[in-house]
Amino acid sequence: QVQLVQSGAEVKKPGASVKVSCKASGFTFTDYYIHWVRQAPGQGLEWMGVTNPSGGNTAYAQNFQGRVTIIKDTSSNTVYMELSSLRSDDTALYYCAREDGDTSYFDYWGQGTLVTVSS
Amino acid sequence: DIQMTQSPSSLSASLGARVTITCRASQNITNFLNWYQQKPGRAPKLLIYGATNFQSGVPSRFSGSGSGTNFTLTISSLQSEDLGTYYCQQTYASPPAFGGGTKVEIK
Repeated sequence: QVQLVQSGAEVKKPGASVKVSCKASGFTFTDYYIHWVRQAPGQGLEWMGVTNPSGGNTAYAQNFQGRVTIIKDTSSNTVYMELSSLRSDDTALYYCAREDGDTSYFDYWGQGTLVTVSS
Repeated sequence: DIQMTQSPSSLSASLGARVTITCRASQNITNFLNWYQQKPGRAPKLLIYGATNFQSGVPSRFSGSGSGTNFTLTISSLQSEDLGTYYCQQTYASPPAFGGGTKVEIK
């Protein structure tokens, strides 16, 4: 069955970086876009960026330009999201989600990874 | 960027009630509008895509309508398992933006 399994919770200090992984299984990895979406405590959903696993193209939200990097590893069917220069307001749940490039919706989501930024 | 505005931000309704949530786009997005349900402590789940199409396994009491800039999600008969927050999302243009969410509670 389709699964997106994310890495575990992280606690980081302000100014540090965090790298969250999203391992895909149950589908052809190179056929799907993988997006990253975050959700601050009690808040809504915020799109961060996307990678096309087959072509390697990435796109990022303006709010995160220069701080976020999305990397794919097709050998392990894993996508990584690295966020740098962390601030307290980066404390959030981070989700990966897949999109079929022909369909324009996010049909499967990872379980979420809590990143806490605290001194 | 396209902005998505949902209303109301929260609602409380009785079991069996008809519930309507609206979503407005800041520009024409044709039918590139999706609806997600998020239960407390869980990842979002796709309910409706392309404004009107059911995702597999979604109960028939959920329906979506609209095109252009105005969209609606309707729950025809609210059930206890429907509590949670509902988000609309446009995928007409990048970045794919979400609405602010509508929290549904059972009265």
